[in-house]
Amino acid sequence: QAGLTQPPSVSAGLRQTATLTCTGNSNNAGNQGAAWLQQHRGHPPKLLSYRSNNRPSGISERFSASRSGNTASLTISGLQPEDEADYYCSAWDNSLSAWVFGGGTKLTVL
Amino acid sequence: EVQLVESGGGLIQPGGSLRLSCAASGFTVSNFYINWVRQAPGRGLEWVSVILGDGTTYYADSVKGRFTISLDSSKSTLHLQMDGLRAEDTAVYYCARESDAFDFWGQGTMVTVSS
Repeated sequence: QAGLTQPPSVSAGLRQTATLTCTGNSNNAGNQGAAWLQQHRGHPPKLLSYRSNNRPSGISERFSASRSGNTASLTISGLQPEDEADYYCSAWDNSLSAWVFGGGTKLTVL
Repeated sequence: EVQLVESGGGLIQPGGSLRLSCAASGFTVSNFYINWVRQAPGRGLEWVSVILGDGTTYYADSVKGRFTISLDSSKSTLHLQMDGLRAEDTAVYYCARESDAFDFWGQGTMVTVSS
């Protein structure tokens, strides 16, 4: 099943800002937006945002999501060492009747 | 407190069967969609299946016809019956609650398909 497209890696400096992207089509990310998940090695994923820019309780305001057309973005401001992790986007695909994920982006904090 | 606890993973030979379970607590399972998502070693997340409150099920093409998802609401337990297992099914299997997105995840159970 076709998934969402994410760059394999992104790096940015401590206390700087990183922007991660996720490109899909009108049946998934371009429809109801994408959700973003953070995963540290050896741990299950953690939801950061959903429906483009809604944050679950307890998620820092440093994590901000948006959408433009078929591309979703996650902006992380004031980067901290603990932000170094893998980030995945996900969306329900109306055409496939399936959830699709991006391949994940490994964020490195320099 | 919402909790999801998977069990049932292990080492199984190709062609074999395994039944995973996911015990849910802290919420009413019939009010949510519950999914299985897997992650092969060193790889990304792959959606496997979902069961809706009315019993409707959906599957990824890669497991359709081999895996069966079910929900025992009386025991708040989700199951994944996996038949005809292949080496490429080797992964950590997570159950995840869906509320607009996957908002709660279990710790996962490892399934290794190898002879």
